[in-house]
Amino acid sequence: AQSVAQPEDQVNVAEGNPLTVKCTYSVSGNPYLFWYVQYPNRGLQFLLKYITGDNLVKGSYGFEAEFNKSQTSFHLKKPSALVSDSALYFCALEGPGAGSYQLTFGKGTKLSVIP
Amino acid sequence: GAVVSQHPSWVICKSGTSVKIECRSLDFQATTMFWYRQFPKQSLMLMATSNEGSKATYEQGVEKDKFLINHASLTLSTLTVTSAHPEDSSFYICSARDVGQGAAGELFFGEGSRLTVL
Repeated sequence: AQSVAQPEDQVNVAEGNPLTVKCTYSVSGNPYLFWYVQYPNRGLQFLLKYITGDNLVKGSYGFEAEFNKSQTSFHLKKPSALVSDSALYFCALEGPGAGSYQLTFGKGTKLSVIP
Repeated sequence: GAVVSQHPSWVICKSGTSVKIECRSLDFQATTMFWYRQFPKQSLMLMATSNEGSKATYEQGVEKDKFLINHASLTLSTLTVTSAHPEDSSFYICSARDVGQGAAGELFFGEGSRLTVL
């Protein structure tokens, strides 16, 4: 069975500093990986995805993620954090042959950017 | 980008009543929509996959008679919480994928519906 792990419940970072939100996955075959962001009482917003090709994926709002097959990781990064980046971040996986294309979500990581 | 509209955003109801939540894809067609439930400070739990013109596929442990899903058109899916009880209070989120996209296409999410059952 496929799974996604976000090892940190919360990440705190000072404004202007680089941020990393970690994600590891487990799946048979090649994964499709996603990052979503959720603001309080809102739905999820798409940030970026990895399907194939370049391991460094650039997404919305200056975020990027690096796919590392050997470490089965897909960490989300941003060079300089903003207070407005404070939100809940979800890593998600769509495995090969998923049928109806369901996503498996990690438990989420709350990012707090401190002014 | 594409928009998924979810209504109502907030609903408060008495125990024993039924509540309907609508999920609409506004500028694209979706043969498949997904319904999730999110508990406070927790991840999204997939409840069911809604298929246009056919029965929904429910995840293990989700009561199909409790959570009725109808996907009558390519732009509308509804979730009805029947005989709601306080333990059904939660944040319900729908998502949809454009018909034209294959696997790994972007999922568009609704803004969510906060249900509180008194």
